[in-house]
Amino acid sequence: EVQLVESGGGLVQPGESLRLSCAASGFIFSNYWMSWVRQDPGKGLEWVANINYHGDEKYYVDSVKGRFTISRDNAKNSLYLQMNNLRAGDTAVYYCVRELIVGVAEYFHHWGQGTLVTVSS
Amino acid sequence: IVLTQSPGTLSLSPGERATLSCRASQSVRDSYLAWYQQKPGQAPRLLIYGASTRATGIPDRFSGSGSGTDFTLTITRLESEDFAVYYCQQYGSSPPMSFGQGTRLEIK
Repeated sequence: EVQLVESGGGLVQPGESLRLSCAASGFIFSNYWMSWVRQDPGKGLEWVANINYHGDEKYYVDSVKGRFTISRDNAKNSLYLQMNNLRAGDTAVYYCVRELIVGVAEYFHHWGQGTLVTVSS
Repeated sequence: IVLTQSPGTLSLSPGERATLSCRASQSVRDSYLAWYQQKPGQAPRLLIYGASTRATGIPDRFSGSGSGTDFTLTITRLESEDFAVYYCQQYGSSPPMSFGQGTRLEIK
């Protein structure tokens, strides 16, 4: 069974940093692209970043470029999101997601339960 | 690409048919469009990808159709567990993956 367990969320002040982790199990982690997707409480979904199998291709939504860094450790079956210079607008539940790639298209197949990040003074 | 879902809220009774719309501001490349279901307190679940292919384990009362800028999710014979929020998602245009704002399907 595919399992994705996020951790590292919490309450931080604007400008501070936070590192999210995602522990993966039940599948061969290194065989999949992985994403972080966030959801503003009570609102919609936003793709944040993704990373390829080996960690040498990374993509970000414009609003986090230069502030967030996605990484992975295939030996530890783990995905990470380093978030620096956090803003109030980054407040959301952050989901770790295993992608489904069909041809060249990418979809979000397996989701963790999410970890809440709150940025507030 | 901006995805606009309609209606915002749909009120129906169990056993009825639900038709949810997702309209894109530009043509979605090769119908790279997916639908997700989200229940309160849960993560989203992938229902449909490639506009019309059901994901593993999704009942056949869920079907997707459409191309270009207009896509539809149809749920025939609504069951109580189908009442949730539904999102569409496209792949291909900046940002490479984006979602619609969601349609809430509620019990009438």
